[in-house]
Amino acid sequence: QKEVEQNSGPLSVPEGAIASLNCTYSDRGSQSFFWYRQYSGKSPELIMFIYSNGDKEDGRFTAQLNKASQYVSLLIRDSQPSDSATYLCAVNSPRDDKIIFGKGTRLHILP
Amino acid sequence: KAGVTQTPRYLIKTRGQQVTLSCSPISGHRSVSWYQQTPGQGLQFLFEYFSETQRNKGNFPGRFSGRQFSNSRSEMNVSTLELGDSALYLCASSPDGADQPQHFGDGTRLSIL
Repeated sequence: QKEVEQNSGPLSVPEGAIASLNCTYSDRGSQSFFWYRQYSGKSPELIMFIYSNGDKEDGRFTAQLNKASQYVSLLIRDSQPSDSATYLCAVNSPRDDKIIFGKGTRLHILP
Repeated sequence: KAGVTQTPRYLIKTRGQQVTLSCSPISGHRSVSWYQQTPGQGLQFLFEYFSETQRNKGNFPGRFSGRQFSNSRSEMNVSTLELGDSALYLCASSPDGADQPQHFGDGTRLSIL
């Protein structure tokens, strides 16, 4: 089982709709969860992090964490064409004391 | 506050050569991690340095090495370059370590001919 799994996409969402990105992880001891956005040819940019079960909102972005199900998601409300990018989920691994990245989900917002 | 600075931005080398990449973290950040990113493998962890000590290492051959200086700046060295080393090399810094948000530099694009 891969340590951090994401659907590679592409995920196509109409402009103005909600984009939902999902991520599962294997290490039950993980405590820190991050979402990065990466535009083509650019480096990853941190957009959200969450440590506790439940939801965390920041502007149009909401991160949701369910530790029992080992599942973390990112919701983007009122999606804009500028949200088109690859979204990387990252999870800390207490066992290895490092952050493990998923391979990312490509999101395409349709104008 | 200045972000993470990586130099150079682009490098072209030939097989067998060696290369040194540099990373200056965000001021006050003591943890510096290096990653290799390729289209097929995604972001692969190379190593992490904290207070001039390598604290963690990924599954890369010994040709990949690094160090960190007292001002937290870090360098990564790759010796005996191979075609498969062509990648985007990213440096990320955080205040203290792997359970905290990391901030990435723009990366160094390394091409091996």
